[in-house]
Amino acid sequence: QLQLQESGPGLVKPSETLSLTCTVSGGSITRSDSYWAWVRQPPGKGLEWIGAIYYTGSTFYNPSLKTRLTISVDTSKNQFSLKLNSVTAADTAVYFCARQNSFIPPADWGQGTLVTVPS
Amino acid sequence: QSALTQPRSVSGSPGQSVAISCTGTSSDVGGYNYVSWYQQYPGKAPKLIIYDVTKRPSEVPDRFSGSKSGNTASLTISGLQPEDEADYYCCSYAGSYTYWIFGGGTKLTVL
Repeated sequence: QLQLQESGPGLVKPSETLSLTCTVSGGSITRSDSYWAWVRQPPGKGLEWIGAIYYTGSTFYNPSLKTRLTISVDTSKNQFSLKLNSVTAADTAVYFCARQNSFIPPADWGQGTLVTVPS
Repeated sequence: QSALTQPRSVSGSPGQSVAISCTGTSSDVGGYNYVSWYQQYPGKAPKLIIYDVTKRPSEVPDRFSGSKSGNTASLTISGLQPEDEADYYCCSYAGSYTYWIFGGGTKLTVL
């Protein structure tokens, strides 16, 4: 059974960089049918697809976040990571890591982790 | 690109059917047969219940069905059950620049 687990600081200061890691277990991050994604959800609001990465390192970013966003993968650790720089209070959200296919959005999800950026 | 448009809330009684709409544009919902739906309980991760407009993962009851006409997709839940009370989100592929966009979410209340 595939499991994903987010980890990282729960509090980030304004203008600093939000960094999260997702550890994948129960399956290989190098499986050819999978892309590894990040989705966020501000408190009480809807979902926003942040971006995804293929195990080869190819990345796909939400254009609204692209200038601040880096997603990377470490196949040796079966992990992928998110870095979002210059954060503001608007980046406060529960951040989910997830697995998706080419044309099927995330089907396997982590439990999510709340990251707060104080105003 | 703006979020897809969903009603803020819908409601129904046990046993009834409800439909939740998801309106986009020809650049997303209308342009691709890659509309999905999610069910989300408070404090939990979303669960994929419909993909490719009409397909259901094997573990999802057939009370849940999806359809699409033009730029609007719909999720229909028949034979409402109390455990169906949750938030529902649509999601559509939007091309190789925007990729994926979600709807704003609909709260389903089972009366």
